[in-house]
Amino acid sequence: ETGVTQTPRHLVMGMTNKKSLKCEQHLGHNAMYWYKQSAKKPLELMFVYSLEERVENNSVPSRFSPECPNSSHLFLHLHTLQPEDSALYLCASSQEKHSSGNTIYFGEGSWLTVV
Amino acid sequence: EDQVTQSPEALRLQEGESSSLNCSYTVSGLRGLFWYRQDPGKGPEFLFTLYSAGEEKEKERLKATLTKKESFLHITAPKPEDSATYLCAVQAEGDMRFGAGTRLTVKP
Repeated sequence: ETGVTQTPRHLVMGMTNKKSLKCEQHLGHNAMYWYKQSAKKPLELMFVYSLEERVENNSVPSRFSPECPNSSHLFLHLHTLQPEDSALYLCASSQEKHSSGNTIYFGEGSWLTVV
Repeated sequence: EDQVTQSPEALRLQEGESSSLNCSYTVSGLRGLFWYRQDPGKGPEFLFTLYSAGEEKEKERLKATLTKKESFLHITAPKPEDSATYLCAVQAEGDMRFGAGTRLTVKP
């Protein structure tokens, strides 16, 4: 138990579907992140939220839409995805935004398959 | 450009055979270097944070060290349950970069 909970753990969706990934952290942290992990590639940062405000968006396609309603919850809304978007999506949190030397703690991830 | 390189890409050891994993980096303004363990199908599990050259940290069979250019994760007398992918990440000014990982297999 890492204190960061992601649901669902596995998701299969068609290219025309709309779905959402959910993340909740119980660590009292102020920053939350979405990362993408593809096979044999380093983790790619997608979005960063600090105190519920989006502070980074690393050139992510608009078919991925994040939402952070409060400092404990983070969503990733998915629509009209492509098969190459199939990957492990990791939610993470840290005390402050990751420029400050804080440790980032990850959830177990959501395996996404786009068919 | 900031870079993080882990080697080897994969490592196979016999149980009890000690070895080291390497993480070399080129960043300006290091804020911290992190080691994680990742089991298949799961998220990365935090192991260590190192902040300055010369720092060392230990946990069970694992020991992490840091110089100005690289970090080593030393594994002493590994067991099969140490099999996992080990990720290194470097945090610099305004950015955090991950290496591609070293996949460790320990055979009984």
